[in-house]
Amino acid sequence: NAGVTQTPKFQVLKTGQSMTLQCAQDMNHNSMYWYRQDPGMGLRLIYYSASEGTTDKGEVPNGYNVSRLNKREFSLRLESAAPSQTSVYFCASTRTRTRDTQYFGPGTRLTVL
Amino acid sequence: AQSVTQLGSHVSVSEGALVLLRCNYSSSVPPYLFWYVQYPNQGLQLLLKYTTGATLVKGINGFEAEFKKSETSFHLTKPSAHMSDAAEYFCAVSEYQGGKLIFGQGTELSVK
Repeated sequence: NAGVTQTPKFQVLKTGQSMTLQCAQDMNHNSMYWYRQDPGMGLRLIYYSASEGTTDKGEVPNGYNVSRLNKREFSLRLESAAPSQTSVYFCASTRTRTRDTQYFGPGTRLTVL
Repeated sequence: AQSVTQLGSHVSVSEGALVLLRCNYSSSVPPYLFWYVQYPNQGLQLLLKYTTGATLVKGINGFEAEFKKSETSFHLTKPSAHMSDAAEYFCAVSEYQGGKLIFGQGTELSVK
């Protein structure tokens, strides 16, 4: 039981490049989330998927898109990376969308030059 | 809107001393409150959570937190710090709909 997995662990991009961050969970959870972590700002929600087939914007969605590929997988795409998107990205999942404990992946450290 | 404030971005204690990390929240509905810990270069791990019922909540690694509605606080304590407790700690409140977490800014705990 791996929990929540994320790939890649590290990535360096040049401004304007695109990439997709992958997230998968094996806990049969319904809801999945993408956060970014920046120093002194805690974690901020980018997008979430309350259930398979639905996605909604969080607090900081600009410059990102998401896909809930199936119940297990939730990807985050940067279409044209900017230095302001340099951050650590965390994926999380929870059994239901009603205030359950969220379980986090190990994170992806992204640098945009 | 819900919000969380953690007082003190850095806290330093001696090994064996009391750990006290402060968290205040704002919520228009009965809150669900969480403390997570993040060790260097790792993801977040749940320490403890308050939903309803008993206001003193015990978590892993000897940590506990007390929900005080009148003070809108959920401070995290541990009687005796250990070197392995050095990490960043996040307090969070869960939104009623969607289960989204609103995080505080985090407190980095150093143990010397």
